[in-house]
Amino acid sequence: DTEVTQTPKHLVMGMTNKKSLKCEQHMGHRAMYWYKQKAKKPPELMFVYSYEKLSINESVPSRFSPECPNSSLLNLHLHALQPEDSALYLCASSQGLADSYEQYFGPGTRLTVT
Amino acid sequence: AQKVTQAQTEISVVEKEDVTLDCVYETRDTTYYLFWYKQPPSGELVFLIRRNSFDEQNEISGRYSWNFQKSTSSFNFTITASQVVDSAVYFCALSVAYGNNRLAFGKGNQVVVIP
Repeated sequence: DTEVTQTPKHLVMGMTNKKSLKCEQHMGHRAMYWYKQKAKKPPELMFVYSYEKLSINESVPSRFSPECPNSSLLNLHLHALQPEDSALYLCASSQGLADSYEQYFGPGTRLTVT
Repeated sequence: AQKVTQAQTEISVVEKEDVTLDCVYETRDTTYYLFWYKQPPSGELVFLIRRNSFDEQNEISGRYSWNFQKSTSSFNFTITASQVVDSAVYFCALSVAYGNNRLAFGKGNQVVVIP
């Protein structure tokens, strides 16, 4: 089973709201990723977790706060977002951080900030 | 620095035609990995293939085939006898052996298959 699930599928939030995106995988993968994708652009890496520890933060604004409660779950907490943060947020996982491992992506959460 | 170029932004083909997507990469590393992903309108990126820099064998999987040529730094993808379900954005990506699995994506090719 090569499935990564994400909830919710769609999210509309105001600039003062706090919300969370959730990602789950049951493939036993030890690396998990958050990407942001704007329309007609490739995904941009935001965060990488390896063995539940934050490994990479691509200088993402603090209004995005990742959390990895266990090896199967990855959350992205959102607070005081801006309209330009509207995008598709993709979660991915891989066996580990070795560059040979392919990443498996979830279906994404389409976020609209009003 | 690593870079992937996918020059054709949108390609339209009539169903059953073949379509080839070009991917040219740049890296100074001798060990690297190349990937192709498909992103249908639903949004999920679907892994298609991985190739490492030491394996120049071409690969065929059903109607999909890949041609890897180190001499021209290219990793091209061909869909044979295209079908409407092939309509998607296809991304080529490069990862080098730094141990952080960071992918450098190309801009993607939007393929539209017309019935």
